Amino acid sequence: DVKVTQSSRYLVKRTGEKVFLECVQDMDHENMFWYRQDPGLGLRLIYFSYDVKMKEKGDIPEGYSVSREKKERFSLILESASTNQTSMYLCASTGGAVDTQYFGPGTRLTVL
Amino acid sequence: QKEVEQNSGPLSVPEGAIASLNCTYSDRGSQSFFWYRQYSGKSPELIMFIYSNGDKEDGRFTAQLNKASQYVSLLIRDSQPSDSATYLCAVANQAGTALIFGKGTTLSVSS
Repeated sequence: DVKVTQSSRYLVKRTGEKVFLECVQDMDHENMFWYRQDPGLGLRLIYFSYDVKMKEKGDIPEGYSVSREKKERFSLILESASTNQTSMYLCASTGGAVDTQYFGPGTRLTVL
Repeated sequence: QKEVEQNSGPLSVPEGAIASLNCTYSDRGSQSFFWYRQYSGKSPELIMFIYSNGDKEDGRFTAQLNKASQYVSLLIRDSQPSDSATYLCAVANQAGTALIFGKGTTLSVSS
């Protein structure tokens, strides 16, 4: 079975802190994605990566950056957390072209 | 901006009935379509995907695709209370690099 893991299920940070969210997949997938999910707004794509050291902006990249130094790991970075970044963050991965995306369990981030 | 539209619901059906979930999309060039189920507090999980016009059946689930009408649907036969969840429609962009998700339809199956 494909396994996508995220570093934390729940995280509480203060405004202005630098926040790292990590995602690891064990299926040698090329493509990895970061989404945030908010009530009434659905899943929104923040960034995705189709190869090591490659990244593409999604629909809402402002305030975020990403890092993909190894194929299995994709990190989402909030350079200076703000309260409007309080959300559920979901990581997903897929092999090759767009195919079934496998999601991690999610990280519920609260910024105070 | 490419869009995927779903009725947010809630859609309420009695146990044993057929639940019909609908989705429309704006990108006429889209080729791949997915239905995900998301239980409250959990992450989405794939139910079905469909690439060709027509119907695709998998157990109690049937996905229907009409590219001319830019419409995709999911039918759940013999609905069970365990089917109560939010159902997300997702459409691949033309480049095939990412999925665009609808906001989801909440289904409630009463026993």
